[in-house]
Amino acid sequence: AQSVTQPDIHITVSEGASLELRCNYSYGATPYLFWYVQSPGQGLQLLLKYFSGDTLVQGIKGFEAEFKRSQSSFNLRKPSVHWSDAAEYFCAVGAGGSYIPTFGRGTSLIVHP
Amino acid sequence: DTEVTQTPKHLVMGMTNKKSLKCEQHMGHRAMYWYKQKAKKPPELMFVYSYEKLSINESVPSRFSPECPNSSLLNLHLHALQPEDSALYLCASSLSKGDQPQHFGDGTRLSIL
Repeated sequence: AQSVTQPDIHITVSEGASLELRCNYSYGATPYLFWYVQSPGQGLQLLLKYFSGDTLVQGIKGFEAEFKRSQSSFNLRKPSVHWSDAAEYFCAVGAGGSYIPTFGRGTSLIVHP
Repeated sequence: DTEVTQTPKHLVMGMTNKKSLKCEQHMGHRAMYWYKQKAKKPPELMFVYSYEKLSINESVPSRFSPECPNSSLLNLHLHALQPEDSALYLCASSLSKGDQPQHFGDGTRLSIL
């Protein structure tokens, strides 16, 4: 079975600073990988996904993620964080035929002015 | 604005009450999902409907009863719930089962007294 680890429960950055959220997965083959964002009081929104091909994936809202098979990682990055990026971020892996995502525990992003 | 509409947004009910949560989408999606999300936790898959038929039931207690009357509508009937069932209930849809992205509604915040 697949699993996802997000080692950071909280990340605090200043507005305008760069951001990297970590995600490690466990799966025997190449999985489908996703990053979702959840703002307070809202549902989840897909930021980006990796299925195959180019290991650097561009998403919405200026986010990107890089798939590194050797490290079993799919870290999310943004060069300059905005206050509106404060939210909960979930990494997810989909595999096993149905590709319904299994979510990591989430990382809460706090943005200081 | 989300393309998946969930009603009500908030629901408070006693343990002996019967209530229903409603989810609607008009994107032509043929897969619909119910998730349960506790505070500061990732969403947990409850049910998956594919072409109006129940495809996955993740060992959910029978006090939760899903229904998919047509391709646009998904209900979750609630009866004799327990305080630990208090959570955010999220509905999602996708073109077909496992297809990405899943489009999430903003959820129903359920409180059991």
